[in-house]
Amino acid sequence: AQSVTQLGSHVSVSEGALVLLRCNYSSSVPPYLFWYVQYPNQGLQLLLKYTSAATLVKGINGFEAEFKKSETSFHLTKPSAHMSDAAEYFCAVSRYTGTASKLTFGTGTRLQVTL
Amino acid sequence: AAGVIQSPRHLIKEKRETATLKCYPIPRHDTVYWYQQGPGQDPQFLISFYEKMQSDKGSIPDRFSAQQFSDYHSELNMSSLELGDSALYFCASSLGGGLGETQYFGPGTRLLVL
Repeated sequence: AQSVTQLGSHVSVSEGALVLLRCNYSSSVPPYLFWYVQYPNQGLQLLLKYTSAATLVKGINGFEAEFKKSETSFHLTKPSAHMSDAAEYFCAVSRYTGTASKLTFGTGTRLQVTL
Repeated sequence: AAGVIQSPRHLIKEKRETATLKCYPIPRHDTVYWYQQGPGQDPQFLISFYEKMQSDKGSIPDRFSAQQFSDYHSELNMSSLELGDSALYFCASSLGGGLGETQYFGPGTRLLVL
């Protein structure tokens, strides 16, 4: 079964520092991987998506993620954190059942940005 | 750009009552998904529909039912509500339900069962 594991339920960085949120996947077939962000009391917003077209995926708000097959990882990074980046981040893998795709999410990482 | 619309945004019900959640997908999207997110939890897949037919089913209680209508909107019906049903319910939509299709999420309906 396809799954993702997010390492670190809470990550705290200073404003302007590098953001690194970790996600490892388990899949017997080439995976479709996603990062979503959830701001307080809001829905899930797509940050970026990996579809095997390129290993480095650029998303919105300056975020990017690199797919590394050898490490089964899809870590999310941003060179310089901003206060507005404080949110919950979910890594997800799409699993196709033959009739539909459904997302399986990691447990989430809460990013705190401090002054 | 138009997004997924969910109504109501907040709902308070008593135990054993019934609730109906509505989802209006992005225009031209033909696939709808429902997810449940408990407090401090990750979203869990409940059920999906493609072209008005159920396409997949996850951990959805028998007390819940859902359908997709001719205009592609979907409704999640929840009966005999329990305290544990208190959660954020998300609807997502996509164009086609094929492998790797991007799902766009609505703002969610926050259900509180007292």
